[in-house]
Amino acid sequence: EADIYQTPRYLVIGTGKKITLECSQTMGHDKMYWYQQDPGMELHLIHYSYGVNSTEKGDLSSESTVSRIRTEHFPLTLESARPSHTSQYLCASSESGQRAYEQYFGPGTRLTVT
Amino acid sequence: KNQVEQSPQSLIILEGKNCTLQCNYTVSPFSNLRWYKQDTGRGPVSLTIMTFSENTKSNGRYTATLDADTKQSSLHITASQLSDSASYICVVSDRGSTLGRLYFGRGTQLTVWP
Repeated sequence: EADIYQTPRYLVIGTGKKITLECSQTMGHDKMYWYQQDPGMELHLIHYSYGVNSTEKGDLSSESTVSRIRTEHFPLTLESARPSHTSQYLCASSESGQRAYEQYFGPGTRLTVT
Repeated sequence: KNQVEQSPQSLIILEGKNCTLQCNYTVSPFSNLRWYKQDTGRGPVSLTIMTFSENTKSNGRYTATLDADTKQSSLHITASQLSDSASYICVVSDRGSTLGRLYFGRGTQLTVWP
């Protein structure tokens, strides 16, 4: 069982609100990721981080932002939520180095913007 | 364009029966291929990871095969159980990426009936 946590698990919020999705891992992994997944569709990478103070945008353009002030914490923020942001958001982490094959996923946050 | 295609899109089998899921990919260069199991509303959990030199790997009742020449993989599930009902996702990593970024298939939705 991976030690990676996401809160909240479910969030229903009105348009225009600011939200922060939390992600924490206790495995000491340097690399962390945020994915977006719509029902029946593949995961899309929206943000990643190599370590503290490192953040990069992923393959899928997203209006969200991330920060990495501590190794274990990788929160995602939406300044002004819109219905188009409705989706499942998955956080993951992995070790560094050549054999960094395994990504461990959190349980996800199901976001609904009304 | 790097792609991962899975078939069938969905599958229903009776408890105790075997099944095989397929994955074709065009990702190049190739680093590794992994199969994940994703329960509804949860994050993916790794079942197997195979590198270029491996052509089969087992994890309990799950057996994955890889043919790197034809760029095909399969996941065989034996003696299915109700708890096997989930989405099974094929994920391929390209060798050129130091990040270890992944290309995801859309998954095969497996339903096991009693």
